[in-house]
Order: sequence, then C-alpha cells, then structure tokens
Amino acid sequence: DAGVIQSPRHEVTEMGQEVTLRCKPISGHDYLFWYRQTMMRGLELLIYFNNNVPIDDSGMPEDRFSAKMPNASFSTLKIQPSEPRDSAVYFCASSLGQVETQYFGPGTRLLVL
Amino acid sequence: DAKTTQPPSMDCAEGRAANLPCNHSTISGNEYVYWYRQIHSQGPQYIIHGLKNNETNEMASLIITEDRKSSTLILPHATLRDTAVYYCIVRARERGKLQFGAGTQVVVTP
Repeated sequence: DAGVIQSPRHEVTEMGQEVTLRCKPISGHDYLFWYRQTMMRGLELLIYFNNNVPIDDSGMPEDRFSAKMPNASFSTLKIQPSEPRDSAVYFCASSLGQVETQYFGPGTRLLVL
Repeated sequence: DAKTTQPPSMDCAEGRAANLPCNHSTISGNEYVYWYRQIHSQGPQYIIHGLKNNETNEMASLIITEDRKSSTLILPHATLRDTAVYYCIVRARERGKLQFGAGTQVVVTP
C-alpha cells in the first residue's frame, strides 16, 4: 500500500489567497484526520471524519478553515483567505476504525507570506 | 484524556537500550497508553500501545506500572535512525482524538 498521500508537499502563497490541501487515505480506512503542527502549538487535531462524515471539528481554528470528504478516497482542507499565521505543516492521517492505529501522511508544508 | 509528562530531551548511545519515561498519574481505567514518534520532517509513526499489561512488538517494549500512573518505552538496541521526538499519549479507546504533547527529543549518538 502506498500509505497516506498528501499533496502538495510544499506550498508557498501570499496572504489573502485560497489554499487547498489534499489527502488520499489508505484504501479501506474509514477514519480520516487532519492535524496541524507549528513550533508554538505542536501537533493539533483540526477535524476528523468517519465514513466521509465530519465527527469533530472543534479544532478548526476559525471560519477561514473548511474541510470536506466527498468520497472515501479523498479529502480537502481549504483555507480562504490565508494568513501568515496559518504557516505550518499540515498532516493527514487515516485509520481502520476509531480505536486503531493512525497512519500519517508526509505532510504539506505551507508558508503564507 | 489524561495529561502526560515526559522529559524534554534525552541522549542515548547507539546499540544501547533507550528507556523513555512517561507519567500519567490521572489516567482513567478505560484509557490506553500510546506511543508515537516523529522523525524530523516526517509524519508521526505509531510504535506501540497498551492498557495495563506489558507489550512488545518488533519496534519496542512498553512497560506500564501496576498502578498505571507511569510507563516506560524501551527501544532495546537504539540506532541512529531512532533519533526522533517520542510522544506518549493517553487516550480512551472510544475516542478518535490523539492529543500530542511536547514529547521527548531523543538523540542517538554513535
């Protein structure tokens, strides 16, 4: 299996632009998680889905952030408009079942200028 | 979920065992202890988890004290590739969330 796939791996954009991060979970996994990692706050869970339905989005920082999962093999995290404080590494993870091991992707490094 | 306390850093000599402590004095009966690690610039990687019995897999061993208030992750023969941040996380199994703390930066030296 290819593991969790994220794209792009690196993104540099200017403040105010829309940013879309993409994730393909491991085939057959029914849970998908979005995390953000910064030096100041460490690794934080933003939102997670079960069978394409958002279960807990309490970690989403504000309305500028939105996440969707249109099907079992694809999810997006969108930031509109982006701000410099959104600069971080964004990780996607998936698991087979809520209680099982989460497998993380390589992350997307976002820099907002 | 219960909070965990880990030392911020530790060094280990290559080929020696690395013993990583974690305190979780407020752990509840239904909460498991999970260990993940993050090698620089990579996503976190699952290592092992346990409830109250000691556990071992191909990567490491997990020793949980009888009162479950602390645990130790043991890397039996540390290699340079084990240099990473190690996270101890306590989580109830019915919860999807993993709450990562600051972890322990482990540096394995030749």
